[in-house]
Amino acid sequence: QLQLQESGPGLVKPSETLSLTCTVSGDSIDSRSYYWAWVRQRPGTGLEYIGSILYSGSTYYNPSLKSRVTISIDTSNNHFSLKLSSVTAADTAIYFCARHGVARGVHFDYWGQGTLVTVSS
Amino acid sequence: EIVLTQSPGTLSFSPGERATLSCRASQSVSGNYLAWYQQKPGQAPRLLIYGASSRATGIPDRISGSGSGTDFTLTISRLEPEDSAVYFCQQYAGSPYNFGQGTKLEIK
Repeated sequence: QLQLQESGPGLVKPSETLSLTCTVSGDSIDSRSYYWAWVRQRPGTGLEYIGSILYSGSTYYNPSLKSRVTISIDTSNNHFSLKLSSVTAADTAIYFCARHGVARGVHFDYWGQGTLVTVSS
Repeated sequence: EIVLTQSPGTLSFSPGERATLSCRASQSVSGNYLAWYQQKPGQAPRLLIYGASSRATGIPDRISGSGSGTDFTLTISRLEPEDSAVYFCQQYAGSPYNFGQGTKLEIK
């Protein structure tokens, strides 16, 4: 059974960089069939796609966040990571890691449980 | 950018009834690249439907999706108390892959 688990600091100061890792178990992240992604949910609002990465390191990002986002992948340790720079209170959210297919499009069939990140001094 | 509007904001039904949830796109969703998710409090979203009408693995056939172009519908028949949740639609026809704001379904 595929499982995804987010980890990282729950509190980040304004203007600093948010860093999260998603550890994947039950399957290899080194797959040509799937992208690995980040989605966030700000308090009281809907879901927002952040970006995705393939085993090769190929990425694509939400244009609204692209200037601040970096997603990387570590296939030897079966995890991928998110960095979001210059954070503000508006970046306070639950951050989910998820998986979507290469061939079938960007819909997410497996999700982590999510981790709350608060931006505050 | 495709904007998705879900209506109504909240729906209330009794067990055994049928619920119809709407998702309207600001422009045509090519390829019917539209998914539906269920989210319960404190949990991650769960994929229900992709490609507008294909059920995800393990989703019962009392849950169905339909629609094309700009108008899509999620139908849940024979409602059960466990169906109480927020339901989101998501388009993946073009970046950014936006979600709707959600419809809260209450089963009382």
